Amino acid sequence: GAVVSQHPSRVICKSGTSVKIECRSLDFQATTMFWYRQFPKQSLMLMATSNEGSKATYEQGVEKDKFLINHASLTLSTLTVTSAHPEDSSFYICSAGGFSPLHFGNGTRLTVT
Amino acid sequence: AQKITQTQPGMFVQEKEAVTLDCTYDTSDQSYGLFWYKQPSSGEMIFLIYQGSYDEQNATEGRYSLNFQKARKSANLVISASQLGDSAMYFCAMRGEDSGAGSYQLTFGKGTKLSVIP
Repeated sequence: GAVVSQHPSRVICKSGTSVKIECRSLDFQATTMFWYRQFPKQSLMLMATSNEGSKATYEQGVEKDKFLINHASLTLSTLTVTSAHPEDSSFYICSAGGFSPLHFGNGTRLTVT
Repeated sequence: AQKITQTQPGMFVQEKEAVTLDCTYDTSDQSYGLFWYKQPSSGEMIFLIYQGSYDEQNATEGRYSLNFQKARKSANLVISASQLGDSAMYFCAMRGEDSGAGSYQLTFGKGTKLSVIP
């Protein structure tokens, strides 16, 4: 069964609103989780590394004030897309795992109208 | 810096035939791991197979095998006896492991879209 749960799977929001995406590790503790973004027919691009109890590490070019990451517990990381715009529409997917194959959530398809 | 190259944007294979998806990589790490993931149209990333840089044997998992040629820096995925359900995007990825447990992030290639023909 799934070891990483991501919710919601699909969300449509209006421009200017904020959207929160949750990523949970189900049967293990994850001190580190990763958030990726995937545009249609493209590869996964790492956005940020979420660290439990500390600030996230963002990749170059990713706006940390727009993509807020909170890793408040060993099993939950959240990504909040603030003041969403149509160009933020994308597939967002999280992953978690230790020194083993990373497991991915099922992804969230965000559409901003 | 790590780089993964998948040169085949799309591949077709006849059902029940074998297919090889190419992957080459570049890294300065002495220790690293190579992964293959399958992404169906629904979007989830399904882990298929892993090869460590110091593993002497090629990894196998059921119908999946990884043809690891370290000197050529290639890690091709071989799918035997293709099935219709194998139609999906396939991503090769790597993780540098010189930093030990400090870095688990993956670098992905651009992917190969595999279509299995009945």
